[in-house]
Formats: sequence, C-alpha cells, structure tokens
Amino acid sequence: DTAVSQTPKYLVTQMGNDKSIKCEQNLGHDTMYWYKQDSKKFLKIMFSYNNKELIINETVPNRFSPKSPDKAHLNLHINSLELGDSAVYFCASSQLDPPREQYFGPGTRLTVT
Amino acid sequence: GENVGLHLPTLSVQEGDNSIINCAYSNSASDYFIWYKQESGKGPQFIIDIRSNMDKRQGQRVTVLLNKTVKHLSLQIAATQPGDSAVYFCAENKETSGSRLTFGEGTQLTVNP
Repeated sequence: DTAVSQTPKYLVTQMGNDKSIKCEQNLGHDTMYWYKQDSKKFLKIMFSYNNKELIINETVPNRFSPKSPDKAHLNLHINSLELGDSAVYFCASSQLDPPREQYFGPGTRLTVT
Repeated sequence: GENVGLHLPTLSVQEGDNSIINCAYSNSASDYFIWYKQESGKGPQFIIDIRSNMDKRQGQRVTVLLNKTVKHLSLQIAATQPGDSAVYFCAENKETSGSRLTFGEGTQLTVNP
C-alpha cells in the first residue's frame, strides 16, 4: 500500500497553462504539506494544511493555490505557469503534535516549456 | 569517509567503510532533527530522528549525533553498502513553529564497490 501518493508523476506543459497536482495519504495523518525541490536538490516548504486548515503559507506566488477537500487529500493548482516553476513537487504528511517525521510522496516532476 | 566541510555536497566511500555525513543547523531554538535519504527519482525517506534532550541515537547501522553547543548534527552509517548511495538531508524543527521543517542543502553519498 502506498502511504503518500501523487499524480501525475511527470507533467510537461507550456508557459501560461494551468495545471493541478493531486496528493493523497492513507496514514491517518492530520497534516499535509507541499514542498518544491529545485535543480540543486534544495527542498523548500510551500504550504501546510492541518485538518483542512492552512497553517503554513510561505512566500509563494498567488498563482499557486492549495486545496484540501479532506484531511487525506491536498491538491496543488498552478495558474499561468512560468519557466521558473519547473521543479519537482513533493507532497508529505505527518502528525502535528508533537512534531514528528514527515512522510513524502514520490514527487511530481513539472517541466514548463 | 567524512565530509568535513559544511559546503561540500559530495562524499565518496568504499563499500564496507563507515560514512559520516555532517550538517550545521541554523536555529539554536530548534529542538527536533531528522535525517532523510533521497534516492534518484524518489521522495525523501525518513532514516532517523533525534530530539534536543538527547545527544546520540542509534538505529540499524545508523547513528545520529547532536552537538547543540556548535549546532552540529551528524549521521554515521556503518559498513556502507552500494544501496546507501543517495542524497542525505538533515532537517530541523522548532516545536513552537509547529510542523515547519527546514532542510539543509543535502550531501550526495556515493558508495564504490
């Protein structure tokens, strides 16, 4: 059983398009995250939701909008894609209290041409 | 083998040797630390964690050492195997920041057979 799953694994699209990445976790965790990993492998948090409520919102362009329909799902919608959005996006989940390790999905490699 | 420079992103060791991966963390208020392993094309995978009330924790073939005086974390891998080849990240958390993890830059470990 996959603990944290993401779709799609690869996404190739043109500048200006709108795309979504979906994430689901079956670990019963109450907190989910989106991370961006750049070409130098640097991992940076973008958003975090706890029980469908936004709790972390880093300095991310408004073109990025997370949505959590329930605590097992966290989707990421990106409008007006730009070349600089090309990266690997990881979803993760954890329990919030006390802070525990986060479990990561396999990643979505987004390429904007 | 050991990466002694905080900005050296690569470490190459012979199979069977012990590896030491170092990490300097930035926030003296951080009280929870994690090591992750990321293999090519996969998401980060939890290896071991340690809280600030400890200075050493051991797992299977891995040991994490925490030196709060100099804000330094290390991961020791005993009898390194080719399957250990990956990028290793340290991450820190401050409990009052909730679930926010701040990741280090990562170290590429290559194990030569």
